[in-house]
Amino acid sequence: EPEVTQTPSHQVTQMGQEVILRCVPISNHLYFYWYRQILGQKVEFLVSFYNNEISEKSEIFDDQFSVERPDGSNFTLKIRSTKLEDSAMYFCASSGQGAYGYTFGSGTRLTVV
Amino acid sequence: QKEVEQNSGPLSVPEGAIASLNCTYSDRGSQSFFWYRQYSGKSPELIMFIYSNGDKEDGRFTAQLNKASQYVSLLIRDSQPSDSATYLCAVWRGAQKLVFGQGTRLTINP
Repeated sequence: EPEVTQTPSHQVTQMGQEVILRCVPISNHLYFYWYRQILGQKVEFLVSFYNNEISEKSEIFDDQFSVERPDGSNFTLKIRSTKLEDSAMYFCASSGQGAYGYTFGSGTRLTVV
Repeated sequence: QKEVEQNSGPLSVPEGAIASLNCTYSDRGSQSFFWYRQYSGKSPELIMFIYSNGDKEDGRFTAQLNKASQYVSLLIRDSQPSDSATYLCAVWRGAQKLVFGQGTRLTINP
C-alpha cells in the first residue's frame, strides 16, 4: 500500500535554530499538508499546498514557517528560529482529489531544547 | 464553541462489548466526516468516512451521521484489546483541510 514517508523520525534542535522536516507524499497525489500535534493535544492543521502554492494556512502558520516542494517528490516544512513551544509531532499528509486517499505519514517528533 | 467536540474519556469497555464514540460539530454546513484511530506516538489511521445521513458499516465498525443534530458517532462491535487507542473525529473543511476533535481514549479490558 502506498505510504507517505517522513524524515527524520525524531529531531532535537536548540532554540533559535532552523529545522527542515521532510516528506515524500504518495506519488500520484496532488494535495499536500502539514499538521502538528503537541503532546496530549489535538491534531492541528498548519497548511495545505496545491499546484506549487499554499491553498490555505492556519493562524499557527506564521512567518516562522514555510513550505516548499523543491522537486517532483519532496515536500518540506521549514521552521525558522525555533521556539520551545514548537516542540510537537509534525505530520505530513497527501491526498488525491477531495478527501480521496487522504493519508498521513508516520510523523517527525521535534524537540526544541 | 469548539468546532469539533469529543468526550476525551477515558472510555473503558469490556472485551467483546460494543464501544460507542461520539462527536458533535458546530458548522451546520459541514458535509464530510472522518474517524481516525491513533495509537500512542503514532500517526492517525483512517477507519472510515461518512457523507450521508444514516449508518455506514465496514466490518466491526459502524459510523452514524445525523446532520440535523450535528452529531457523528462510531460503534465498534466485538471490541478487542487491539482496539485500545485514541479515536479522532474530523470534519472536512474547504481547501482540503481536516479539523480534528480532541479525541476519545478508548480502553478495551480483557
